[in-house]
Amino acid sequence: QVQLQESGPGLVKPSQTLSLTCTVSGGSISSGDYYWSWIRQPPGKGLEWIGYIYYSGSTYYNPSLKSRVTISVDTSKNQFSLKLSSVTAADTAVYYCARIVIQLSAVDYWGQGTLVTVSS
Amino acid sequence: QSALTQPRSVSGSPGQSVTISCTGTSSDVGGYNYVSWYQQHPGKAPKLMIYDVNKRPSGVPDRFSGSKSGNTASLTISGLQAEDEADYYCCSYAGSWVFGGGTKLTVL
Repeated sequence: QVQLQESGPGLVKPSQTLSLTCTVSGGSISSGDYYWSWIRQPPGKGLEWIGYIYYSGSTYYNPSLKSRVTISVDTSKNQFSLKLSSVTAADTAVYYCARIVIQLSAVDYWGQGTLVTVSS
Repeated sequence: QSALTQPRSVSGSPGQSVTISCTGTSSDVGGYNYVSWYQQHPGKAPKLMIYDVNKRPSGVPDRFSGSKSGNTASLTISGLQAEDEADYYCCSYAGSWVFGGGTKLTVL
């Protein structure tokens, strides 16, 4: 059974960089059948795509966040990571890592989510 | 990319059917047969309920069905049960992906 687990600080100061890592178990991140994605959800609000990465390293970022986002992959550790720079309170959200099945164009596995609060 | 448009809330009594709409444009919902629906209970990660407009993953009850007409996709839940009370999000491929704003389903 595939499992995804987010890890990283739960509190980030304004203007700093948010960094999260997703560890994938039960399957290989190097499979060509999937994109590996970050999705966030502000408290009480809806879901927002942040971006995704293919195992080869090719990426796509939400245009609204593109200038601040970097997603990277470490196939040797079966992990992928998110960096979001210059954060503000508006970036406070539950951050999910997720697996997109390319052929289905849908997310079949999600991490449990991690709340990141931006506050001084 | 603008978020897809969903009603904020819908409700129904146990045993009834409800339909949640998801309206986009010809660049997303209308342009691709890659509409998916997710169910999210409070404090939990979303769960895939429908993909490719009308296909159900293994384990999803056949009470859940999807359809699309033009730029609007729909999720219908028949034989409502208490455990169906949740938030539902549509999602469409549009070069990348875009979510709807979410619909809160209340089972009366």
